[in-house]
Amino acid sequence: QQQVKQSPQSLIVQKGGISIINCAYENTAFDYFPWYQQFPGKGPALLIAIRPDVSEKKEGRFTISFNKSAKQFSLHIMDSQPGDSATYFCAASHSGSRLTFGEGTQLTVNP
Amino acid sequence: NAGVTQTPKFRILKIGQSMTLQCTQDMNHNYMYWYRQDPGMGLKLIYYSVGAGITDKGEVPNGYNVSRSTTEDFPLRLELAAPSQTSVYFCASRNYRDTGELFFGEGSRLTVL
Repeated sequence: QQQVKQSPQSLIVQKGGISIINCAYENTAFDYFPWYQQFPGKGPALLIAIRPDVSEKKEGRFTISFNKSAKQFSLHIMDSQPGDSATYFCAASHSGSRLTFGEGTQLTVNP
Repeated sequence: NAGVTQTPKFRILKIGQSMTLQCTQDMNHNYMYWYRQDPGMGLKLIYYSVGAGITDKGEVPNGYNVSRSTTEDFPLRLELAAPSQTSVYFCASRNYRDTGELFFGEGSRLTVL
């Protein structure tokens, strides 16, 4: 029940396109859903996060969409840029407990 | 502001050798974590600590040990290294008042041959 499943494993998008990464979870007690961005040779860093009391959160070109009934959430990157090329991890936690991470998505944005 | 610092960045070990990965943070965070990252497998929690003197196992603790004698330091010990421990290791920390954001180090790439 602690799993978070992420797809796709890899994604190639043209510059200016929309990148979409999906995650599904099982534990209905999860109440915090962050996305982390990791560049090669670096540690992951928090990109954006959402709580289940809202269905969408937007920060610049990055948007989280949250569907509580389907137990799914997704990251949308609008107007994708080559500088967005990185590995993205979704995660989930309950009441400040340990984060459970998805498997990661390697995003490549071609110029 | 250094954040979370890990050493070494790279290390090659022979099977059966032991070593310690060092992690220190200067943000006065109570919670500290060790993860390993393998391709296509995400981040798996090895051990974590909620404060000095308190540690607990994560998902994949076998073959590892930790200690937390100070708030700042959280070393990870590998005993009798095996090829299965070839991975990238990340240390992370967070403030107990913050429910989510983890601050990660830059990682330590370990190869066991």
